[in-house]
Order: sequence, then structure tokens, then C-alpha cells
Amino acid sequence: GAVVSQHPSWVICKSGTSVKIECRSLDFQATTMFWYRQFPKQSLMLMATSNEGSKATYEQGVEKDKFLINHASLTLSTLTVTSAHPEDSSFYICSAPRGLAGQETQYFGPGTRLLVL
Amino acid sequence: QKEVEQDPGPLSVPEGAIVSLNCTYSNSAFQYFMWYRQYSRKGPELLMYTYSSGNKEDGRFTAQVDKSSKYISLFIRDSQPSDSATYLCAMVSGGYNKLIFGAGTRLAVHP
Repeated sequence: GAVVSQHPSWVICKSGTSVKIECRSLDFQATTMFWYRQFPKQSLMLMATSNEGSKATYEQGVEKDKFLINHASLTLSTLTVTSAHPEDSSFYICSAPRGLAGQETQYFGPGTRLLVL
Repeated sequence: QKEVEQDPGPLSVPEGAIVSLNCTYSNSAFQYFMWYRQYSRKGPELLMYTYSSGNKEDGRFTAQVDKSSKYISLFIRDSQPSDSATYLCAMVSGGYNKLIFGAGTRLAVHP
């Protein structure tokens, strides 16, 4: 069964509004989670690393004021797309590592499709 | 040069064929290797996970790692139309570090 969930699965919003996406680890704690975005027919692009209890680490070229990340608890990370614009329309996916230290692997959520009109 | 190279395809094969998917990498620090399958409009699903050179088999899937050549492969036996998806290789140096993905190979298995 699924080990990482995302909500919502899809969202349509007007330009200028903010959208919050939740990522939850199910039945395990995740001190670290990762946020990706994916454009059609392209691979995943890492946006940021979400760390419980500290600030997120953003990849080069990703605006931290545009994509707000909050790791509220050991099972929940949120990504807020602020003042969304049509170019932010994409597929957003989170992942969380699970397993013994040194042997952990990452499990992905089902993704959230965002369409900004 | 990208850290991980993967032919994006598309790769089209008849049902029942053996499929070979490959990735090469340049960073010798990578220790853990994964293959994910992603259906259209879905999140990636973990297929195989290995952390040593050699072969690992799971049903119709076999993952192969050759660290000396920095080359990993995924073989799919008796391919089915339901195997049609994008296959992503991924690797990590260890710990809770970020995965480095290949571009993904689009596979189509036709009846």
C-alpha cells in the first residue's frame, strides 16, 4: 500500500492565488522530505529538501519566497505556491526516505497536478 | 556531462519481449541504486532497490549493478502491455541525501 500521501491530488486556481499542497508519511516518521516538480514528458526536478524543525534547503534557481515549505511535524510537509501564475502549472510530487540508516530508500507520493488559469 | 545518463527512448517492443533499460553514472560516490516506474499522471513507484554490485531479481524484473563500470540495468522478462510506462533510474550517495535521477525511458509494450 501507499506509504506517502499527497493532498489534493489536483487543483485548479486563478492566477495570483496561493495553493497549499500537503505531503504525509503514513505509518513512519520522516525528518526529511523532498519536493519535486515535473513537466510533461520530462524527468523529476528536485525543488527543495524539507527538514523537520529547520528551514528547507532550496535547489539553485528555485525561489524560496515563491515556494514556501513548512515541515510542520515528523509526518507532514507542506508546499505553498504563492501568487501562482500559469507558468507554475505542473505536477508536484513529494518523497520521503524510509528504512534503516544507510539502507533507506525513497517513496513517492501520488503527486498533485496544479493548473493555474 | 550529467551525473546520470539515461536514454529517453521511446522504446517500443512486442508483448513477451525481454526489455533492457540502462543508465550510466559518473559519480563513484553513489552507493544505492533504484528503479522507479511512473505511469502517466502518477507518482513514481519503487520497483527495485540495490546497494551492491551484482544482480537482484524480483519476479519478472532483474536489476543489475556494475560499480566498476558505473552502469546499471533493469531487465523485464515476458513484458506485458501493463508494463508500458516511464522507467526512471535513480541513485544516491547515502544517508538522507537527494536522489539523482536519469531522464527516464518511455517504454511501450504493444500486444
